[in-house]
Amino acid sequence: QKEVEQDPGPLSVPEGAIVSLNCTYSNSAFQYFMWYRQYSRKGPELLMYTYSSGNKEDGRFTAQVDKSSKYISLFIRDSQPSDSATYLCAMSLIMGRRALTFGSGTRLQVQP
Amino acid sequence: GAGVSQTPSNKVTEKGKYVELRCDPISGHTALYWYRQSLGQGPEFLIYFQGTGAADDSGLPNDRFFAVRPEGSVSTLKIQRTERGDSAVYLCASSSTGDRERTGELFFGEGSRLTVL
Repeated sequence: QKEVEQDPGPLSVPEGAIVSLNCTYSNSAFQYFMWYRQYSRKGPELLMYTYSSGNKEDGRFTAQVDKSSKYISLFIRDSQPSDSATYLCAMSLIMGRRALTFGSGTRLQVQP
Repeated sequence: GAGVSQTPSNKVTEKGKYVELRCDPISGHTALYWYRQSLGQGPEFLIYFQGTGAADDSGLPNDRFFAVRPEGSVSTLKIQRTERGDSAVYLCASSSTGDRERTGELFFGEGSRLTVL
């Protein structure tokens, strides 16, 4: 069993829809939780970062972490065709000195 | 440069050959990471450098894989006796030390796509 599980999709939604992306994990020691976005044939880029449990909002994006359930979510409001990409959750025990553990990514397609 | 630069962008080689992949991180970034991403998967950690030294190489799959960063800037990932299973995109990322490192923001290059025939 992988440490981080993520539904690969693809997830197809109409423009303007609310998108919910999720990951579950098994290692309760993870403290830092991130969402990266990866366009086709590009490297991942950081979208959101959260430490421990709670919510964080940045524009159309909201990240939620529920450590008791070992479950993290990313919500995208008013989705746009430019949001079409693969979304990777990532988590870490200690920032900076140890690698991130990534989920396998969810491919999102926003239809105009 | 403005971002992390990786060369070559594409490499096709034959089974058993030796391959070198180069990463030029963002200027001033002391931390450098190599990841491998197979089709339909997330990036998988290979090795992490802090300055010139490999601080964590626990992700290297076997002794055919080796990486160096002799002057604390450019890094080279070396793969000996390549196998078909080595085919993947090899991603390099860098980050600065200090407060920015706490955000988990790794800056990734576009990757080197390796195909072993």
